[in-house]
Amino acid sequence: SQQGEEDPQALSIQEGENATMNCSYKTSINNLQWYRQNSGRGLVHLILIRSNEREKHSGRLRVTLDTSKKSSSLLITASRAADTASYFCATARYGNNRLAFGKGNQVVVIP
Amino acid sequence: KAGVTQTPRYLIKTRGQQVTLSCSPISGHRSVSWYQQTPGQGLQFLFEYFSETQRNKGNFPGRFSGRQFSNSRSEMNVSTLELGDSALYLCASSLGIQNSPLHFGNGTRLTVT
Repeated sequence: SQQGEEDPQALSIQEGENATMNCSYKTSINNLQWYRQNSGRGLVHLILIRSNEREKHSGRLRVTLDTSKKSSSLLITASRAADTASYFCATARYGNNRLAFGKGNQVVVIP
Repeated sequence: KAGVTQTPRYLIKTRGQQVTLSCSPISGHRSVSWYQQTPGQGLQFLFEYFSETQRNKGNFPGRFSGRQFSNSRSEMNVSTLELGDSALYLCASSLGIQNSPLHFGNGTRLTVT
C-alpha cells in the first residue's frame, strides 16, 4: 500500500532560519497533504497539494510536488519557536479519503 | 465553530477488557475517520464512516470496530484488549469529498496494562 515517507532526520534550527522537509511515496496519488502535531496532541492540517499542482504557498509555508519522482518538500520560512512540532506528510489516492501517513519529522526551533 | 471533540482524553484498561471511544465531529462534517498512533508503527488508518456507513477499512483485526450515528458522532470499540493496543487514538472529521482536509481531535490516550 502507498505510504508517505519523510526523510527521517530531526531538524534543530535557530529562530529565523528556514526548515525544509522531504517526503516520498510509492504509488499514484490524488493529493498530498502536510500536517503538524504538537507533542501528544492532534494533527493540524497545514496544506494540501493536488496531483496536478507543482507548488503551493500558504503564509510561511511552501510545498512542492514532483509526481515524476513521487516526492514532495515542505519549506517553512523564517521559523519561530512556535513551529517546534512533528510534521507529517500524508497521501490520498483517487476516490479515497483514506490517508497514508509518513513517520514524521521532528523540528525544534531554538529561540 | 467547535472543533473535533474526543472523549475520554485518557483511559487505562486491563488486558482482556473492552473499551469504547467517542468522537464528535465538526458540525456539518459527515465523514469521520479513526487512526491509531504508536511510536513503532506511526499513524495507521483504522476506518472511515460516512453517513452512518463504513466506507473504508484498514488492516486491523475484527476486535476493532466502529459505528456512526445519524448526527455524525462516531464511536470506536476495541474488544479483548491487548498490550499492543496501547496507543493514541485519533479521530478526524471532514466533508468527506475529494480533496477535503481532515480535522483532528486531540485524541484518546489508551494504556493497556
